[in-house]
Amino acid sequence: DTAVSQTPKYLVTQMGNDKSIKCEQNLGHDTMYWYKQDSKKFLKIMFSYNNKELIINETVPNRFSPKSPDKAHLNLHINSLELGDSAVYFCASSRADSPLHFGNGTRLTVT
Amino acid sequence: QKEVEQDPGPLSVPEGAIVSLNCTYSNSAFQYFMWYRQYSRKGPELLMYTYSSGNKEDGRFTAQVDKSSKYISLFIRDSQPSDSATYLCAMKGNQGGKLIFGQGTELSVKP
Repeated sequence: DTAVSQTPKYLVTQMGNDKSIKCEQNLGHDTMYWYKQDSKKFLKIMFSYNNKELIINETVPNRFSPKSPDKAHLNLHINSLELGDSAVYFCASSRADSPLHFGNGTRLTVT
Repeated sequence: QKEVEQDPGPLSVPEGAIVSLNCTYSNSAFQYFMWYRQYSRKGPELLMYTYSSGNKEDGRFTAQVDKSSKYISLFIRDSQPSDSATYLCAMKGNQGGKLIFGQGTELSVKP
């Protein structure tokens, strides 16, 4: 009964490929997020959705496209992968006024 | 200059020591302050959540917020090897606002 689950855990792919990461939460939260954690452990927000509506869209290349089919799911599609996209991507969820709950991350390696 | 500054460490202490972790910030609008703990290959998990200035205690953990100095701290008493992890401070200005993270401090507690 994992609260925030992401798949896959590991993703190794070549430059130029397109890949997707999926996230699901069973906490009944109305807001979901994607964060990127670089090699120095710095966590930076990429996107936030509230009730399937995009509310935060940071300065992220438009090769990254989030999609929220419903309140419990937020997927991240990445086109034309680059070496610099290698990082750990975390999905999180919250109610608007409560702290974030994180998944265990997807470790993306672009070769 | 980053909005939230945190010494990345690493910090190594003997078991039983008192640990002090700190963050400074520049945005006076921040009102909600959090500490997350992140074990290796896992997602961040919430440790402490405080609003505005003051202290909050939970077991061996104490969080302090000094808004006048723009400085927050996390104290761990009687530290244990199981406390070895990266500790991330995080803060935001209002309930629906963006959560901004510090870089994280890597802590190692030696038996």
